[in-house]
Amino acid sequence: AQSVTQLDSHVSVSEGTPVLLRCNYSSSYSPSLFWYVQHPNKGLQLLLKYTSAATLVKGINGFEAEFKKSETSFHLTKPSAHMSDAAEYFCVVSVLNDNTGKLIFGQGTTLQVKP
Amino acid sequence: KAGVTQTPRYLIKTRGQQVTLSCSPISGHRSVSWYQQTPGQGLQFLFEYFSETQRNKGNFPGRFSGRQFSNSRSEMNVSTLELGDSALYLCASSLFSRGGTGELFFGEGSRLTVL
Repeated sequence: AQSVTQLDSHVSVSEGTPVLLRCNYSSSYSPSLFWYVQHPNKGLQLLLKYTSAATLVKGINGFEAEFKKSETSFHLTKPSAHMSDAAEYFCVVSVLNDNTGKLIFGQGTTLQVKP
Repeated sequence: KAGVTQTPRYLIKTRGQQVTLSCSPISGHRSVSWYQQTPGQGLQFLFEYFSETQRNKGNFPGRFSGRQFSNSRSEMNVSTLELGDSALYLCASSLFSRGGTGELFFGEGSRLTVL
């Protein structure tokens, strides 16, 4: 069975400091992994995706994530947080070899950015 | 290019009533997926339609149904509303079916409150 676990439900950082949002996954097949962001009262927006190419993936707004198969992790990082980064972040796994083909969303991590 | 449009954005219903939500995907996108988002359960997959056919279905009761029209617009219907159906219902469109590349484009959602 496939699953995704976001290790922190809430992360608080100061503006200008690094951001780390942690995600572990479980998959019987080769996974595709994604990070989405949701700002208040908005829909979700794709930040970045991993689909078995380079293990270090760069996304929008300075975010990047590294796929580590040995650790079954796909953590999201950003060198310097901005106030506009405050939002909820979702780690998502898609198993293309699975007949269901559904996307499985993590429970989300709320990022708070303090001035 | 217009994004995903969901209507209505907000609605209030009472228990036992039914509701119909509408979603217009990005032009050219043939896949429409629906998700329910609640604070307790997070994002849960409802169903996916591709070229007017339901391709995937989540673990929701039969009170939740949907359809897709020839122009790719989709509707979902919830009958005999329960208090627990209060949620943000998100629609997402994509070029490919079954999650495909996982790149979904979300609308801003329809927030349903059941009293």
